[in-house]
Amino acid sequence: AQKITQTQPGMFVQEKEAVTLDCTYDTSDQSYGLFWYKQPSSGEMIFLIYQGSYDEQNATEGRYSLNFQKARKSANLVISASQLGDSAMYFCAIPQGGSEKLVFGKGTKLTVNP
Amino acid sequence: GAGVSQSPSNKVTEKGKDVELRCDPISGHTALYWYRQSLGQGLEFLIYFQGNSAPDKSGLPSDRFSAERTGGSVSTLTIQRTQQEDSAVYLCASSLQESGETQYFGPGTRLLVL
Repeated sequence: AQKITQTQPGMFVQEKEAVTLDCTYDTSDQSYGLFWYKQPSSGEMIFLIYQGSYDEQNATEGRYSLNFQKARKSANLVISASQLGDSAMYFCAIPQGGSEKLVFGKGTKLTVNP
Repeated sequence: GAGVSQSPSNKVTEKGKDVELRCDPISGHTALYWYRQSLGQGLEFLIYFQGNSAPDKSGLPSDRFSAERTGGSVSTLTIQRTQQEDSAVYLCASSLQESGETQYFGPGTRLLVL
């Protein structure tokens, strides 16, 4: 069964610095996608970035980028030039094999300090 | 509206009462998902609908939970005879189609069972 591991319950970063949030996964699928979501204190899950397993390049979306290492089954999120508004929970997710039901990690709480 | 909407945003109920949670997906999205987010269990899949196909109910925790989707659009999640362990945030998501598409989430309904 698909599994997502986020080993950092909490992370702190200074404003304007970069931060990496870790995500490792376990899947038996040959083709799959990985998603990152942001959940601010308001509770809404906001889609950030997607990586397809067969994409030749790491995904980027504005200040967000993925360090995707398929052989190691990791898809770490890099946030550059952190802003105070980046303070939130961040979740990595992968579809459960043979379906589109997302399996989520436990999340990382990011705090950006001024 | 442009995004997924859910109502009510907050619901407080007494143990044993029935509750209905509503989700209005993004216009044109054929797939609709319900997830539950609780402190002890994290984010977990409940049920999803895709077009006119039979829903995948594999994540529903008990037969007290049911959901329907009328006219391929609005969905209602019903919890009968609520228990205190049903207290959680119920999140709805929709996507353009089933395979590989990004799921966009609504703001959630925070349910508290007293």
